[in-house]
Amino acid sequence: AQSVTQLDSQVPVFEEAPVELRCNYSSSVSVYLFWYVQYPNQGLQLLLKYLSGSTLVKGINGFEAEFNKSQTSFHLRKPSVHISDTAEYFCAVNFGNEKLTFGTGTRLTIIP
Amino acid sequence: NAGVTQTPKFRVLKTGQSMTLLCAQDMNHEYMYWYRQDPGMGLRLIHYSVGEGTTAKGEVPDGYNVSRLKKQNFLLGLESAAPSQTSVYFCASRKGNRNSPLHFGNGTRLTVT
Repeated sequence: AQSVTQLDSQVPVFEEAPVELRCNYSSSVSVYLFWYVQYPNQGLQLLLKYLSGSTLVKGINGFEAEFNKSQTSFHLRKPSVHISDTAEYFCAVNFGNEKLTFGTGTRLTIIP
Repeated sequence: NAGVTQTPKFRVLKTGQSMTLLCAQDMNHEYMYWYRQDPGMGLRLIHYSVGEGTTAKGEVPDGYNVSRLKKQNFLLGLESAAPSQTSVYFCASRKGNRNSPLHFGNGTRLTVT
């Protein structure tokens, strides 16, 4: 079955420290990969997407993600986080059909 | 530039009551989706539509019905609300090509007592 795994449900990080949010998916087919961010009491916003080409993708708010085909991963990183990055982050994968499959989300908490 | 608009934003229902959630998009998107979000479970797809007049079931369709009579609107109905349907409901839309991202509404918080 096609699935998306975000192993960390919660990640606490000190302000100005780096962070990595992990995402793995299970498929050998060609995929399109997305990261979304959800701020409190809001809908989801697109953070970045990987379609093809360079495996390092840059998104909004200083985030970037690296596509690793051999490890079927698409981890999200930021070198220095801010209080305003407190949110829930969702990895999503299009496995080649009409639907987008979401991970269960990672809640990022920034500690002042 | 409204994007995806959901109404209402909040609703409280008693068990057994019915209601309809409205989603409207002004981006001329072909595909539209209804998700529910529950703590620790991420987003689960209820129903979706790939075009006007067509709908399909997602992973958790039971207890819900949908209609897409116009391209810009996607309605989600609860025929007989149950406490298990207490959730936050999100509508999303996208263009028809596979690499298009989803655009989300701000959600409807539904409580069934």
